[in-house]
Amino acid sequence: ILNVEQSPQSLHVQEGDSTNFTCSFPSSNFYALHWYRWETAKSPEALFVMTLNGDEKKKGRISATLNTKEGYSYLYIKGSQPEDSATYLCALGSHDMRFGAGTRLTVKP
Amino acid sequence: GAGVSQSPSNKVTEKGKDVELRCDPISGHTALYWYRQRLGQGLEFLIYFQGNSAPDKSGLPSDRFSAERTGESVSTLTIQRTQQEDSAVYLCASSFGLAGMQYFGPGTRLTVL
Repeated sequence: ILNVEQSPQSLHVQEGDSTNFTCSFPSSNFYALHWYRWETAKSPEALFVMTLNGDEKKKGRISATLNTKEGYSYLYIKGSQPEDSATYLCALGSHDMRFGAGTRLTVKP
Repeated sequence: GAGVSQSPSNKVTEKGKDVELRCDPISGHTALYWYRQRLGQGLEFLIYFQGNSAPDKSGLPSDRFSAERTGESVSTLTIQRTQQEDSAVYLCASSFGLAGMQYFGPGTRLTVL
């Protein structure tokens, strides 16, 4: 069984702050690491899929890094906006995706 | 269609009844996944289909749960003799190949009274 852990569980920041959170996972048998954004009353939206150690991905103000040897990925948001408020999920695996519990981000205007 | 669609959007049923949930994946996506989210909990993997390969049923919580998919098209998730603990949002996702970025449908909210 793969244990995917995310921290912190929740985060409150002011508009304009930059923030980051962590996804930790067992480093053995790594296949792929996914990040999703899940807004209330909507479906999860894919942000990144990363497969290679040292991978860095960027989408607008959001970026992610991957370290498969030590088993972690960071998600960064630069200059947070209220519309960034959501739960950010990471998931590990191939077909039997194992999701973390998520980090709930609230950005206050 | 442009995205993954699911039906019904909401389903209220009585304990002991069978329910069938439907998912239409994005055209051309070979992989299809079912998840559920019970109140206050995270996403829970249920089952995965990839092309014509045998599905990975490792996440199904009991033998009351089953799913089918015809080729690379529509999938149905069936829950027999529903229990109150089956109440959840059931999400379907599809992707192009193994471990590809998954695109989620809007979900079906199931309430078992």
